[in-house]
Amino acid sequence: SYVLTQPPSVSVAPGKTARVTCGGDKIITKSVHWYQQKPGQAPVLVVHDDSDRPSGIPERFSGSNSGNTATLTISSVEAGDEADYYCQVWDSSRDHPVFGGGTKLTVL
Amino acid sequence: QVQLVQSGAEVKKPGSSVKVSCKASGDTSSSYAISWVRQAPGQGLEWMGRIIPIVGTPKYAQNFQGRVTLTADKSTNTAYMELSSLRSEDTGVYFCARLLFDSSGYYLNWGQGTLVTVSS
Repeated sequence: SYVLTQPPSVSVAPGKTARVTCGGDKIITKSVHWYQQKPGQAPVLVVHDDSDRPSGIPERFSGSNSGNTATLTISSVEAGDEADYYCQVWDSSRDHPVFGGGTKLTVL
Repeated sequence: QVQLVQSGAEVKKPGSSVKVSCKASGDTSSSYAISWVRQAPGQGLEWMGRIIPIVGTPKYAQNFQGRVTLTADKSTNTAYMELSSLRSEDTGVYFCARLLFDSSGYYLNWGQGTLVTVSS
């Protein structure tokens, strides 16, 4: 089955740019979605279809997808961005979603 | 906007079953499926299966096949997830999430989660 690989953790200073990667075989051929999850809360969709933002998500959140790696970029990081971030694609061969293992973003 | 509201926390004995509900409110006119996603303590998101409420057709993840049953009551816009033969490893938070048919497979709406604790 399709596997998505994320780094366990990423650290960034406030005001800087954080990049969270999501690796998968030929991931460029898939639409990648990103969720933010804060402790004790449900996941929140922050980017869908590689680079689109749902209503209400700040422009600081952006996404890209190329080759075997998709990237969630958070610019001008704030303390409130500290959370776990998950990437997700649809495995069309098995007709179900696949989630990455998650990345814990720490704001220093 | 669509809201998904789940039933409350449960404490169960090993070997028993648990049934969690997920009620959709708001604009539910679009065709959609309800997926169930488990999150064990300190772990990631694991897809369990999905059901299409308007037709009641379930699909299960291989890891849960035989132990999970998904149903839906379209008259009340409520989906249910029943997990049987519970063991301690089933402890975790169970989320329902809505998947629109005309999307590329992402979940815009999530329930608040239901904590299920399996303990003797």
